Amino acid sequence: GQSLEQPSEVTAVEGAIVQINCTYQTSGFYGLSWYQQHDGGAPTFLSYNGLDGLEETGRFSSFLSRSDSYGYLLLQELQMKDSASYFCAVRDPLPSGTYKYIFGTGTRLKVLA
Amino acid sequence: DVKVTQSSRYLVKRTGEKVFLECVQDMDHENMFWYRQDPGLGLRLIYFSYDVKMKEKGDIPEGYSVSREKKERFSLILESASTNQTSMYLCASSPQGAHSYEQYFGPGTRLTVT
Repeated sequence: GQSLEQPSEVTAVEGAIVQINCTYQTSGFYGLSWYQQHDGGAPTFLSYNGLDGLEETGRFSSFLSRSDSYGYLLLQELQMKDSASYFCAVRDPLPSGTYKYIFGTGTRLKVLA
Repeated sequence: DVKVTQSSRYLVKRTGEKVFLECVQDMDHENMFWYRQDPGLGLRLIYFSYDVKMKEKGDIPEGYSVSREKKERFSLILESASTNQTSMYLCASSPQGAHSYEQYFGPGTRLTVT
């Protein structure tokens, strides 16, 4: 089957660094995305890795290793507003030439003062 | 700013009713998606569309159908609502091409079937 595994919950203190891991097992792969979702809100796009390596966007970085079927989201200088759920998602190519997206079950991040 | 809107934030329907969930995007995106979100299960793809009048099944299409008559509008239809379809429904859109990996989500419709 196809699956993306993430830890269900992570807790850290304000100002710290936290890493949220994602391992995937899918029939196809065309990139790994990360989304943030606050309680009651819609998921919003954070970052994308199409190739191996690190992508940095401000306090957030994302890493991908295709050979290990593994990626992570790194959040630095944590702030209270970072308390949210974080989802990884794989873009899976289809024979028709289109893509579908498979999401992980999400990691709930709690930032403590 | 990309905007994806959904017709209702909250909806309560009775078992057996036909339910229509509407989604409209204003960025001329080719791709549109319907997901349902349940605690502990993440987002699961129901149906998606890459062009007007075109649709493809996602991972959990049973009990649902869709319609895309215009590029900006993608409707999800529950033919005969059942209690196990109580969920949060999220619509999303994305462009074709290099940035197709970036999906824009609507605020969601929380559907309760009683």
